[in-house]
Amino acid sequence: ETGVTQTPRHLVMGMTNKKSLKCEQHLGHNAMYWYKQSAKKPLELMFVYSLEERVENNSVPSRFSPECPNSSHLFLHLHTLQPEDSALYLCASSRIVATNEKLFFGSGTQLSVL
Amino acid sequence: GQQVMQIPQYQHVQEGEDFTTYCNSSTTLSNIQWYKQRPGGHPVFLIQLVKSGEVKKQKRLTFQFGEAKKNSSLHITATQTTDVGTYFCASNSGYALNFGKGTSLLVTP
Repeated sequence: ETGVTQTPRHLVMGMTNKKSLKCEQHLGHNAMYWYKQSAKKPLELMFVYSLEERVENNSVPSRFSPECPNSSHLFLHLHTLQPEDSALYLCASSRIVATNEKLFFGSGTQLSVL
Repeated sequence: GQQVMQIPQYQHVQEGEDFTTYCNSSTTLSNIQWYKQRPGGHPVFLIQLVKSGEVKKQKRLTFQFGEAKKNSSLHITATQTTDVGTYFCASNSGYALNFGKGTSLLVTP
């Protein structure tokens, strides 16, 4: 148990659906991240939040919409996704947003877009 | 962001053999972090190196950071089946942590 909980663990959605991924961290960290992990590609950083403020948006399509209501919770709202968006979506947290901070990952949501 | 390249992509060893994965960059790295991801699992932090020429050990694992801070290696001595997984190196570009593609290790009993 890493202290970072993600739900759901698995999600299957159609291209016209709207769904949300949830992440909660119990570590008292101030930084939270969304990463995408797909086959044959490195872990791709999507968004970075520091104390509920978005500080990084890595050219992610607008069909992915993050929300960070407080420093313990992070959401990723999904709408009109494409089949190529199928991947493992990992949430992570760190003590603060800074160089040399180690990340604590959740177990991920395995997303399949049909 | 800073790109880190990892080789090999896959490695299959017999239990008891040694294993090494390499992480390389064309630019000087501020740091290197190593993570392990078991099959079906999530990345778990192993260690961080920040100094030129730094060497750190964790039991059978030895981590090195090159003198020029452009490469790093992870060496496992006498692999065990519990070492199976994908090993990632990562480095910061600002506060964004960029990952290599990883080396997948398979250990046959």
